[in-house]
Amino acid sequence: DSGVTQTPKHLITATGQRVTLRCSPRSGDLSVYWYQQSLDQGLQFLIQYYNGEERAKGNILERFSAQQFPDLHSELNLSSLELGDSALYFCASSVAMGGNEQFFGPGTRLTVL
Amino acid sequence: GENVEQHPSTLSVQEGDSAVIKCTYSDSASNYFPWYKQELGKRPQLIIDIRSNVGEKKDQRIAVTLNKTAKHFSLHITETQPEDSAVYFCAAGSSGGYNKLIFGAGTRLAVHP
Repeated sequence: DSGVTQTPKHLITATGQRVTLRCSPRSGDLSVYWYQQSLDQGLQFLIQYYNGEERAKGNILERFSAQQFPDLHSELNLSSLELGDSALYFCASSVAMGGNEQFFGPGTRLTVL
Repeated sequence: GENVEQHPSTLSVQEGDSAVIKCTYSDSASNYFPWYKQELGKRPQLIIDIRSNVGEKKDQRIAVTLNKTAKHFSLHITETQPEDSAVYFCAAGSSGGYNKLIFGAGTRLAVHP
């Protein structure tokens, strides 16, 4: 157990819908990262927050957005869902920004039908 | 842009043999190089990491080497066991600026008894 929690574990929804994925970092970690992993694919970096502020953006679609709250938990919002959005979404946390090990949560498996 | 290339994409070895996975990075500012192991349907787990002030690091059957001049680093697993079978990801990051990790595409390692 990495100490990073993600909910829900599984999510099944329809095209065009909107979902929210939630992540709680390890106690004491200020940085949260979101990754997308499609079937048999690598880890695509989406976005990073540090202490409530957006710090880095990767290949995140405009239909996706995220935020980090004062209690440091983070939410990833996915809207106007398409079949291709089906994937495992991982959250990771680290003590500070980059150069430090990232601990991954168990992931949320999103299936868009 | 930043890029990490990882080879091979698949690797099949007999139990007891050694396995080597190689990665090349493009961003000369990178100074942190972790390796993650991901079993099917599970979260990536950090197995070893190395920083740019070190050329080699070893932890039991696992070792990582770094050549900053050539911008490449490698993972070596000796005396492989069936439980080593998984997907391995290398990554590169830096402790300054935008501190996201850039992941390689992954290597699927199969260790046959």
